[in-house]
Amino acid sequence: DADVTQTPRNRITKTGKRIMLECSQTKGHDRMYWYRQDPGLGLRLIYYSFDVKDINKGEISDGYSVSRQAQAKFSLSLESAIPNQTALYFCATSDRGLTYNEQFFGPGTRLTVL
Amino acid sequence: AQSVTQPDIHITVSEGASLELRCNYSYGATPYLFWYVQSPGQGLQLLLKYFSGDTLVQGIKGFEAEFKRSQSSFNLRKPSVHWSDAAEYFCAVATGDTDKLIFGTGTRLQVFP
Repeated sequence: DADVTQTPRNRITKTGKRIMLECSQTKGHDRMYWYRQDPGLGLRLIYYSFDVKDINKGEISDGYSVSRQAQAKFSLSLESAIPNQTALYFCATSDRGLTYNEQFFGPGTRLTVL
Repeated sequence: AQSVTQPDIHITVSEGASLELRCNYSYGATPYLFWYVQSPGQGLQLLLKYFSGDTLVQGIKGFEAEFKRSQSSFNLRKPSVHWSDAAEYFCAVATGDTDKLIFGTGTRLQVFP
């Protein structure tokens, strides 16, 4: 079984709809991240969480919110989706440590907003 | 501010040829540097990383990368490319105080038989 899972894998929705993307991990990591990938722009950080009570905005948080329901679950919400939020969304996790720790990525969710 | 530049958007090579993907970074201190690969429809997989020590690092799938501080570069190399290496490759740098990654814009590799 995959260590980092994302649901759904694909989603098509309409402008103005509320959308939730979910991420679960079985790696036991404290830290979780949400990125979006756009062609020609690479991956950009939306939100990150170092533990259940520690949530931080990333580079492009406007229009998004997150919820860390448990150590293993980190959800990304689009309260009112707009077409320029069409992208590939990745969740990632990393362990806590004294030095940098590798991030492990989920398979991604492809979101299309019409 | 930290940044990563991958100057080549798209590279095409023949199978069996050598490969070098370029990556330049901007960061004040000694960086943590990474190369990730994204195969079509897949998530990102770590190929290799540099934290300190030997500036030539070996990774999975026969890839290696060399850290050159004087050139602020961390180029990825492979002596003989296989058709299965066709993918998108991302260079990334980690900020020193957190685990946040800053990614380059990626290089798409196409391999011809």
